[in-house]
Amino acid sequence: SQQGEEDPQALSIQEGENATMNCSYKTSINNLQWYRQNSGRGLVHLILIRSNEREKHSGRLRVTLDTSKKSSSLLITASRAADTASYFCASSDAGSYQLTFGKGTKLSVIP
Amino acid sequence: DGGITQSPKYLFRKEGQNVTLSCEQNLNHDAMYWYRQDPGQGLRLIYYSQIVNDFQKGDIAEGYSVSREKKESFPLTVTSAQKNPTAFYLCASGTSGSTDTQYFGPGTRLTVL
Repeated sequence: SQQGEEDPQALSIQEGENATMNCSYKTSINNLQWYRQNSGRGLVHLILIRSNEREKHSGRLRVTLDTSKKSSSLLITASRAADTASYFCASSDAGSYQLTFGKGTKLSVIP
Repeated sequence: DGGITQSPKYLFRKEGQNVTLSCEQNLNHDAMYWYRQDPGQGLRLIYYSQIVNDFQKGDIAEGYSVSREKKESFPLTVTSAQKNPTAFYLCASGTSGSTDTQYFGPGTRLTVL
């Protein structure tokens, strides 16, 4: 299976600013998920958006999905130093029980 | 890291040796997964199991083996046939027959000496 692609690969912002990460995928999907990984740790699930949804919110997170462009974006508002981590999108292909992960965006939030 | 434990946290292997990575979950999940992560890369699926006594190859199964004798446990063996085993290994669990949220363990970092 093909991996999705996140953009940018790395992002550095000041605390309080918003961070936007983008993800593209290649096939029809059931859902798209975003995960966070602190350095050397496991992944933590952040949010899931289904193929029939266009936007979803969870706290300071906002996810959009554009199935016509096969893309998704994750917005973190009012970023904090504790948001420093790598963020991965994972797409669930239609007809598959597998998740396909992108290579991630490494976010650095400077205090 | 939820109810999934992986051990050991760090593992060193000499070339030619087989090593087994442990993964245990108490979330009552039927499905379990093994991923490999290389530096600066995403996760690649090694093996997955939707139910006890059954498992399927993922994208990079060569040089690896698994067993699923108990619902709670899904050990991964890295065999000597795996030519480049140095990596970070992540185990996850989830609901069988679903591609919803997966819950990840803390990972095992394997280094070949």
